[in-house]
Amino acid sequence: SQKIEQNSEALNIQEGKTATLTCNYTNYSPAYLQWYRQDPGRGPVFLLLIRENEKEKRKERLKVTFDTTLKQSLFHITASQPADSATYLCALESSARQLTFGSGTQLTVLP
Amino acid sequence: DTAVSQTPKYLVTQMGNDKSIKCEQNLGHDTMYWYKQDSKKFLKIMFSYNNKELIINETVPNRFSPKSPDKAHLNLHINSLELGDSAVYFCASRADSDTIYFGEGSWLTVV
Repeated sequence: SQKIEQNSEALNIQEGKTATLTCNYTNYSPAYLQWYRQDPGRGPVFLLLIRENEKEKRKERLKVTFDTTLKQSLFHITASQPADSATYLCALESSARQLTFGSGTQLTVLP
Repeated sequence: DTAVSQTPKYLVTQMGNDKSIKCEQNLGHDTMYWYKQDSKKFLKIMFSYNNKELIINETVPNRFSPKSPDKAHLNLHINSLELGDSAVYFCASRADSDTIYFGEGSWLTVV
């Protein structure tokens, strides 16, 4: 069966360090992978999309990699700040324009 | 200018009642969704509509009935509410770029 796993439910890091979040998937052949941010009491907000023919994508302090051989995406936040604290969700298109989400990783950046 | 708006934001109701959650998007997107997020923060798709037509209906009890009067609106009606229906319900719409835009969520509590 199809599965999306995000490496840990919670991740704490010190301000200024690089946060690395992992998204692994099985039994998918996604054309692309997306990352979203969700703050408490809010809806998820789109951050980045990376396509299967792209190895890496950057946006300001964010970087996403996509390894279709390993079936894994890594999401990096460099020079992390307390304001980056949130839950980060990865998502894959499974079929019929249906986006399936991982369970998320709650990131806390400690001052 | 809220892109995807849903009402009400909070809803507390008794078991057995019937309730509706309304959703409107002003982005001109053809595809809209309803997602359910449970207490463990897992975001699961319920329904997908494309241009007013039902595309996906996941294993959702038939007490849940979506209605799309036009492609900018996708309302969710729930009959005979049960305790297990307590969750956050997110409406979303999808751009041609495959980005999903979420509403702010509707917190449903069944008592």
